[in-house]
Amino acid sequence: AQSVAQPEDQVNVAEGNPLTVKCTYSVSGNPYLFWYVQYPNRGLQFLLKYITGDNLVKGSYGFEAEFNKSQTSFHLKKPSALVSDSALYFCAVRADTGRRALTFGSGTRLQVQP
Amino acid sequence: EADIYQTPRYLVIGTGKKITLECSQTMGHDKMYWYQQDPGMELHLIHYSYGVNSTEKGDLSSESTVSRIRTEHFPLTLESARPSHTSQYLCASSEAGDWETQYFGPGTRLLVL
Repeated sequence: AQSVAQPEDQVNVAEGNPLTVKCTYSVSGNPYLFWYVQYPNRGLQFLLKYITGDNLVKGSYGFEAEFNKSQTSFHLKKPSALVSDSALYFCAVRADTGRRALTFGSGTRLQVQP
Repeated sequence: EADIYQTPRYLVIGTGKKITLECSQTMGHDKMYWYQQDPGMELHLIHYSYGVNSTEKGDLSSESTVSRIRTEHFPLTLESARPSHTSQYLCASSEAGDWETQYFGPGTRLLVL
């Protein structure tokens, strides 16, 4: 079985400050990891993914995520938050074998204050 | 923006009615998915398909059914809607070999009275 944990329901950060949204995972085999963002009344938008290679992955809108195998984590980061980054963020995982569908975390609401 | 469409965007319907939520994608993706999401909550996979005439149930038990007669089309049907079906339904697709990067439609918000 595969699972994803996003331990924070909400993260508050001031505009211009760095942000981190946490994600840990559990999967049998090698993980494929994803971050998605959901704006109000919209579907999910793909941000970035880790499949293999460099542990630091860069994605859309200045976001990046760091894969840490020993800590089974894939935290989302951005050096300088914008008010427009306020949204709901989902981490997702699947194993490199077996069932191919993604398992999503419960989501973290990011609130960036001006 | 991915080319994946869902209709209707919003639907209010009475108990016992049959409804079909439409999902279409123009990207030629083999794999398609349906998720159920309560507002601001996690996504639950209810159905998926790896190609034409292939459908599987997901993690969350659902009274809905799906069909995949054409690559681009993956409709979801509720034979008899109930208030417990009130939710948001998200459709997604991914390309074979794209390591499951899923592209999502805008969703259908369903309210069953």
